[in-house]
Amino acid sequence: QVQLQESGPGLVKPSQTLSLTCTVSGGSITSGTYYWSWIRQPAGKGLEWIGRIYDSGSTNYNPSLRSRVTISVDTSKNQFSLKLSSVTAADTAVYYCARDDGYISGVGNWFDPWGQGTLVTVSS
Amino acid sequence: IQMTQSPSSLSASVGDRVTITCRASQSVSPYLNWYQQEPGKAPKLLIYAASTLQSGVPSRFSGSGSGTEFTLTISSLQPEDFATYYCQQTYSTPPWTFGQGTKVEIK
Repeated sequence: QVQLQESGPGLVKPSQTLSLTCTVSGGSITSGTYYWSWIRQPAGKGLEWIGRIYDSGSTNYNPSLRSRVTISVDTSKNQFSLKLSSVTAADTAVYYCARDDGYISGVGNWFDPWGQGTLVTVSS
Repeated sequence: IQMTQSPSSLSASVGDRVTITCRASQSVSPYLNWYQQEPGKAPKLLIYAASTLQSGVPSRFSGSGSGTEFTLTISSLQPEDFATYYCQQTYSTPPWTFGQGTKVEIK
């Protein structure tokens, strides 16, 4: 079955750019029926959707982060990536990648499966 | 679209029937999903489209509701069900939003 795995630095300095990659295994990122999303969760808090990408490279971002977020896809490596610029301590969180599924169902979409998550701490 | 869950936390015993409510700031029917998150783990999809059980999820979980009000029910709470539960709306276009979560604790 499809599995997702996040990777990237666990510590980023304030004002720098956070960069994470999600590697998809057990299936192709170019299946044509899924989007691929990033979600984050500060410690002890709820979930925030960051944005999504289609295999064509089409993206949608959360307006609250749009000015600082870039999501890209590398179909040759079966990966998609997140860049978040000008980070502050408020960006410290566990970052998850997930497959954004359900679009052919006609009853919406949902996240399944999820990666295990990676903690990114913003600190000098 | 704002999603509000109630209660924020609850204490229950094994075997209890548990109900969690999720309210949306506008109609999101039927684009409402439920996730379970165990401590230190990623969320897991339980229910999509308000009432459809994801494959492999025990039948003691059920979802219902429409419009702006939805419920997740656990018919008989099991030890492995102690976790935090989140609702999520995927109505129309992004951004997708989650409720703040409901933590189910052991009484």
